[in-house]
Amino acid sequence: SQTIHQWPATLVQPVGSPLSLECTVEGTSNPNLYWYRQAAGRGLQLLFYSVGIGQISSEVPQNLSASRPQDRQFILSSKKLLLSDSGFYLCAWRETGTGVSYEQYFGPGTRLTVT
Amino acid sequence: DAKTTQPNSMESNEEEPVHLPCNHSTISGTDYIHWYRQLPSQGPEYVIHGLTSNVNNRMASLAIAEDRKSSTLILHRATLRDAAVYYCILRTSGGGADGLTFGKGTHLIIQP
Repeated sequence: SQTIHQWPATLVQPVGSPLSLECTVEGTSNPNLYWYRQAAGRGLQLLFYSVGIGQISSEVPQNLSASRPQDRQFILSSKKLLLSDSGFYLCAWRETGTGVSYEQYFGPGTRLTVT
Repeated sequence: DAKTTQPNSMESNEEEPVHLPCNHSTISGTDYIHWYRQLPSQGPEYVIHGLTSNVNNRMASLAIAEDRKSSTLILHRATLRDAAVYYCILRTSGGGADGLTFGKGTHLIIQP
C-alpha cells in the first residue's frame, strides 16, 4: 500500500531563517506531487505541483521554492522566512497513468510558525 | 475548475443522516464532482466522486441532480468522528496534473 510522509510535524522558525520541508511517498511510481498551504483561518492554497523529477510548476509567486530531486521526494524551501509564511503545509500525491483513480492523498502536514 | 457554492456550516445530531449540499451551476459536461473532508489538524481526505449517476461507497453517498447543477453528499449515520470541513470540488475529466482548488467548504458540527 502507499504511504506519504512529511517532516517535521511542527516547526518554529525566526523571521529571516531558511526553511526546508520534506515529503516522501512510498509504494507508487511516478506520482504527481503537490504542496499546499493553509494559513490560519483560511482555505487550502496550492503552492506547487510536479509531474516528474526536476519538473516544478508554481501556482503562487512568493519567497518559497520547491524541488523534486527523486521520483518520490518533494521538498519545499525558503531562503528567508517571512511572518506570512506561517501556516499548515500539506504535501499530496496522485497516481498517474491510464485507468487509475484521480484522488489526491494528503500527508499529515507540517505546522510552521514564524516568529 | 468551475466554482462551487456550499453553506458555511451545518449542524446535525449523532446517529442521524446528514445531507451536505453543493451548487455548481456552471459545471461543464466533463466535470467530475469530488468531495473531500478535512478533520481538525489533519490533511484532507478523499470521500467520494461522481459524474452523472449517484454513487455509494463505504464512507458516504453522492446524489447528483439530473441537470448536474447541484449535488448532495449524504452521510447515512453521522458519528462524532464525521465532524470536519467538507469540500465540494469540480475536476475536469482525467483530473489533470494540476492541484485541487479548495473553497471554504462546509463546517459540519455533530452534536452528541
